[in-house]
Amino acid sequence: SQKIEQNSEALNIQEGKTATLTCNYTNYSPAYLQWYRQDPGRGPVFLLLIRENEKEKRKERLKVTFDTTLKQSLFHITASQPADSATYLCAPSGRGGATNKLIFGTGTLLAVQP
Amino acid sequence: GAVVSQHPSWVICKSGTSVKIECRSLDFQATTMFWYRQFPKQSLMLMATSNEGSKATYEQGVEKDKFLINHASLTLSTLTVTSAHPEDSSFYICSARLAVGSYNEQFFGPGTRLTVL
Repeated sequence: SQKIEQNSEALNIQEGKTATLTCNYTNYSPAYLQWYRQDPGRGPVFLLLIRENEKEKRKERLKVTFDTTLKQSLFHITASQPADSATYLCAPSGRGGATNKLIFGTGTLLAVQP
Repeated sequence: GAVVSQHPSWVICKSGTSVKIECRSLDFQATTMFWYRQFPKQSLMLMATSNEGSKATYEQGVEKDKFLINHASLTLSTLTVTSAHPEDSSFYICSARLAVGSYNEQFFGPGTRLTVL
């Protein structure tokens, strides 16, 4: 069955450093992958979408890579700030029809220390 | 744009009662909405996919007679938890799909915290 794994341990980093979060998937060939941010007691908020034919995508301080050979996506936050502290979820997905649904990873809790 | 609301934001009910949760897309039409459940310190688990005007598609292990989903319009889907029990206590989140070409981006509601006593 499809399996999506993210860093199970919380990631603690110092303000100003780059945070790198990992998403690995198995038994799956997604056409694209999305990253979401979730704050406690709130719904997820969409951050970035990267397609299978894209190696890298950037948006302000965020950068996502997608390696379909390694079956892995990396999510980077540069110049991290305490306000970036949250849980980050990756969600690979297919092209359409019944595969439109998102299956979320376990999430990684990021804590940025001032 | 692309705002999704949920109502209520939290609800406490007695065991055996039914609870209805509403999910609305405020500034766009959503042909497809999704319902998720999230237990503490766990990820979102998809419960069902709701398509406007047709029956919902439930994920394996989700009881369709217990979790009734109605998607009567392009801006409203409802989830009714029937005969709720304490084990149904959870955070319920809906999302609406905004098609972008052949890929899709989902916008999530703020969630509804259900506590069954």
